[in-house]
Amino acid sequence: GAVVSQHPSRVICKSGTSVKIECRSLDFQATTMFWYRQFPKQSLMLMATSNEGSKATYEQGVEKDKFLINHASLTLSTLTVTSAHPEDSSFYICSARPLRDSNQPQHFGDGTRLSIL
Amino acid sequence: QQQVKQSPQSLIVQKGGISIINCAYENTAFDYFPWYQQFPGKGPALLIAIRPDVSEKKEGRFTISFNKSAKQFSLHIMDSQPGDSATYFCAASRGAGSYQLTFGKGTKLSVIP
Repeated sequence: GAVVSQHPSRVICKSGTSVKIECRSLDFQATTMFWYRQFPKQSLMLMATSNEGSKATYEQGVEKDKFLINHASLTLSTLTVTSAHPEDSSFYICSARPLRDSNQPQHFGDGTRLSIL
Repeated sequence: QQQVKQSPQSLIVQKGGISIINCAYENTAFDYFPWYQQFPGKGPALLIAIRPDVSEKKEGRFTISFNKSAKQFSLHIMDSQPGDSATYFCAASRGAGSYQLTFGKGTKLSVIP
């Protein structure tokens, strides 16, 4: 089956640090990847849609200069949380859709737990 | 505006019982309705999905019932097991792949022995 890998799975860092999270589709190509944020005991909230070779589309209220997204290849999208602060602590999850079949559902990674001290 | 409303927020079911989770949507443009299962510290995993051209879909112990006129759909877990204890999210989108998913708020299911 389609596998989406996220790295790192957990990161703890000091306030003011920038953190990069990778999302890879391991056995399929994806022109579109999605980035979500999930706070404890809450649902997934879409942050942005990442498009290979073009700019990401951000949801209302999500700062594009704060959350930098790069989708440089058909198998890799990265989310960089710049100058992270404690309020950015959350569970970040990506998903990807197989390129070859538009009817295939999105496949989710296992998430990255970000803790800012 | 929450476009997908999910209930209950939490559910406790005896082992062997039936777990039922309900969702209602507002946007009539939605045509793909998946259910996801999420364990603590993990990403959501697709459980089962339905399109509005059918009223029911069954896969093993999991069944989706869909009522297009009422704009409601539900997940039934038959013969619930402790291993089914997880958070379940319903979602909706326009199409299965490229379009963004709108998630319900989730239901924490606990199956007790």
